[in-house]
Amino acid sequence: DTEVTQTPKHLVMGMTNKKSLKCEQHMGHRAMYWYKQKAKKPPELMFVYSYEKLSINESVPSRFSPECPNSSLLNLHLHALQPEDSALYLCASSWPGLEGQPQHFGDGTRLSIL
Amino acid sequence: QKEVEQNSGPLSVPEGAIASLNCTYSDRGSQSFFWYRQYSGKSPELIMFIYSNGDKEDGRFTAQLNKASQYVSLLIRDSQPSDSATYLCALRGNQGGKLIFGQGTELSVKP
Repeated sequence: DTEVTQTPKHLVMGMTNKKSLKCEQHMGHRAMYWYKQKAKKPPELMFVYSYEKLSINESVPSRFSPECPNSSLLNLHLHALQPEDSALYLCASSWPGLEGQPQHFGDGTRLSIL
Repeated sequence: QKEVEQNSGPLSVPEGAIASLNCTYSDRGSQSFFWYRQYSGKSPELIMFIYSNGDKEDGRFTAQLNKASQYVSLLIRDSQPSDSATYLCALRGNQGGKLIFGQGTELSVKP
């Protein structure tokens, strides 16, 4: 069973729509991550939350807006996306700051922008 | 020079053989290393992590780390067709737990 749950699994939206991706982890972790992955490429880090505070923003365009309501929930709000934003969006969680503690990924949301 | 380098493959091995996947990295200060398996259309799945020099074994998988030579490898013994996937090497960066991935090696195990 995946202990990091992402919804929805698939999302198709137009460039003018507003939607949100959701992630929930049941592992008691205190760091959560958003990654974007294009076909045949490795995941690219977008945002890191550590103890519910945004600690890393990898210069992501403002049309992506993260939110961490509590230690087990992570959202990614989407607005005015472009076709090139179509990708697999992955959420991950881990213990922050501890060496050797791996990140565990959810199943991802496959996003298509029309 | 990329921070983490892997051969993109595809690496093709016959069923039952040992598959050897290699990864080199540029930052000597790196401490933690991870191998993820990713099936086509799926998310990365953690296979192994290692942070001490030497070997770490888990079932058919062995991770090897040599910090002096700055490489980490993954051996898969008795390879099965179900092992066919892309294998991602990653290390933990210095900034806030950021994972730095290699480009991935595509492994194909032929029956």
